[in-house]
Amino acid sequence: DGGITQSPKYLFRKEGQNVTLSCEQNLNHDAMYWYRQDPGQGLRLIYYSQIVNDFQKGDIAEGYSVSREKKESFPLTVTSAQKNPTAFYLCASSIILGDTEAFFGQGTRLTVV
Amino acid sequence: QKEVEQNSGPLSVPEGAIASLNCTYSDRGSQSFFWYRQYSGKSPELIMFIYSNGDKEDGRFTAQLNKASQYVSLLIRDSQPSDSATYLCAVNSAGGTSYGKLTFGQGTILTVHP
Repeated sequence: DGGITQSPKYLFRKEGQNVTLSCEQNLNHDAMYWYRQDPGQGLRLIYYSQIVNDFQKGDIAEGYSVSREKKESFPLTVTSAQKNPTAFYLCASSIILGDTEAFFGQGTRLTVV
Repeated sequence: QKEVEQNSGPLSVPEGAIASLNCTYSDRGSQSFFWYRQYSGKSPELIMFIYSNGDKEDGRFTAQLNKASQYVSLLIRDSQPSDSATYLCAVNSAGGTSYGKLTFGQGTILTVHP
């Protein structure tokens, strides 16, 4: 079955540590996105990518980094520079950037302890 | 001004009523508009998309777009308790360095009570 897989589902991180969230899709989509969602709030865009080896900062990119070395994969690293990383992180993909439906993974809930 | 704005609610309607959800956006050149539904603790799923001015109907759902007023809405007819969720409006940026940027509103919490 085609879809988007995020792992892990739950992640605990100590303050000062970097952590990488995985996002893999087998939908053959060109575009991929990372969003952050805080309780009771909407989705805020962290990074997005139109194609392999290309990505753009979203609205809240500070403290995060991404790579797009393969079409299927778009990992997100939450660095120690991110002051308040505890949140629900959602990865999405679409056929092309912006114009078509974005499909979401199941999300990763990151908690800093 | 936020790029995409929604009334966060909560919006409470009785079962069988029409629920009306509204969204405004700031990028006048935006071309693609989406409504997602998100149940608590789950990821968003697409309900409707609309590209042209006017109405688009799909079952109990109708999306309405008015580009001149930069306004998009979602009507849910014959609301059911299973429609209780957060509804997210999303808008695609039209051009420049932000082309293809998919921006979401903060979501409207809908509760349908029996």
